[in-house]
Amino acid sequence: AQTVTQSQPEMSVQEAETVTLSCTYDTSESDYYLFWYKQPPSRQMILVIRQEAYKQQNATENRFSVNFQKAAKSFSLKISDSQLGDAAMYFCAYRTSGNTPLVFGKGTRLSVIA
Amino acid sequence: EAGVAQSPRYKIIEKRQSVAFWCNPISGHATLYWYQQILGQGPKLLIQFQNNGVVDDSQLPKDRFSAERLKGVDSTLKIQPAKLEDSAVYLCASSNLASGRLVNEQFFGPGTRLTVL
Repeated sequence: AQTVTQSQPEMSVQEAETVTLSCTYDTSESDYYLFWYKQPPSRQMILVIRQEAYKQQNATENRFSVNFQKAAKSFSLKISDSQLGDAAMYFCAYRTSGNTPLVFGKGTRLSVIA
Repeated sequence: EAGVAQSPRYKIIEKRQSVAFWCNPISGHATLYWYQQILGQGPKLLIQFQNNGVVDDSQLPKDRFSAERLKGVDSTLKIQPAKLEDSAVYLCASSNLASGRLVNEQFFGPGTRLTVL
């Protein structure tokens, strides 16, 4: 079975600084997708960034980028120029292709200090 | 485009009572998912529908949980009777039908927070 592990229950960062959230996963599949979701107190899950395993280039979305290490099964999220609005729970998630459900990690609570 | 709608947003019940949650997915989305998110954990799949058929309900506690998706649109998740450990946020998500290697984004609703006393 696929598993996703987030080893940092809580992280904090100063406003305008950079923070990296860690994620590792376990799978025997060769074709899969990785995601980072943000969940603010409103509980709405918001997709931050996605990475296709077959792509070697790391995904970037504005201030958000990932470091995807396929051999190490590692998928970290880097947030640059952190803003107060970035404070939330962040979940790493995995799925295979098609219509399969997401498998989530336990999450990392990010605090942004003004 | 309207998002995934869920109701109610909050529900408090006594143990052994029954409760139902409703989800209206994004129009045209064939696939619908119900996830359970216990406090301090990530969401876990309870059941997945494709149109009005069940694709995966292996994690659904069928002795107390039931779900249906009438006409392949709205879905209802029911718990009867509720236990203390059912206290959680219940998230509904929907996506377009994907084929082959394609993966379509799952869009989530705001969730229902259930407290069982």
